Amino acid sequence: NAGVMQNPRHLVRRRGQEARLRCSPMKGHSHVYWYRQLPEEGLKFMVYLQKENIIDESGMPKERFSAEFPKEGPSILRIQQVVRGDSAAYFCASSPSAGTAGYSYEQYFGPGTRLTVT
Amino acid sequence: QKEVEQNSGPLSVPEGAIASLNCTYSDRGSQSFFWYRQYSGKSPELIMSIYSNGDKEDGRFTAQLNKASQYVSLLIRDSQPSDSATYLCAVNVPYSGGGADGLTFGKGTHLIIQP
Repeated sequence: NAGVMQNPRHLVRRRGQEARLRCSPMKGHSHVYWYRQLPEEGLKFMVYLQKENIIDESGMPKERFSAEFPKEGPSILRIQQVVRGDSAAYFCASSPSAGTAGYSYEQYFGPGTRLTVT
Repeated sequence: QKEVEQNSGPLSVPEGAIASLNCTYSDRGSQSFFWYRQYSGKSPELIMSIYSNGDKEDGRFTAQLNKASQYVSLLIRDSQPSDSATYLCAVNVPYSGGGADGLTFGKGTHLIIQP
């Protein structure tokens, strides 16, 4: 399967625990984006990463959330001390390259991780 | 503040008819526009991208873009019950350095195709 992979698909955490969400981009893609979809709300951009670099984290909550995309291995979205309001679907998308001349490449989404905080 | 507006629906269309989905956006600097389809409980699936004013056709789908009016639409011809889903409009504003920023999504239009 050459598509974007995410794991786990479902994750249950108690309040105060840590959640780690993983994303492997599509083969040949080096740009990763994380989005969150809260119940009854739209998709919201969180962070954009390239290998070993955070390019734009303007959508990330200031506390408890962090992301990385190491030289080897998947991109990881980490949520520390989870609260009930973190319950949502977290999607990862990838694109083959940065845009050029002001235009953006298409982004392809993975199946998502559904986080439930109890 | 980037905003993308869509009518939430539901939009009900008879099978075989044309479904017309509309989207407006606020940032005049937007250059890249996308339509995604999302079935309930699933992830967004890219249907169309459009970058230039005018129409772009792909099978039963046609995307239309009017940058002067800040308007983008999606037409689905010969609608099928399997087209019933939420359709998300997404817009991208380039940032300095020529990179591809995160997409700004509308809340989506729920489309129902009636057999």
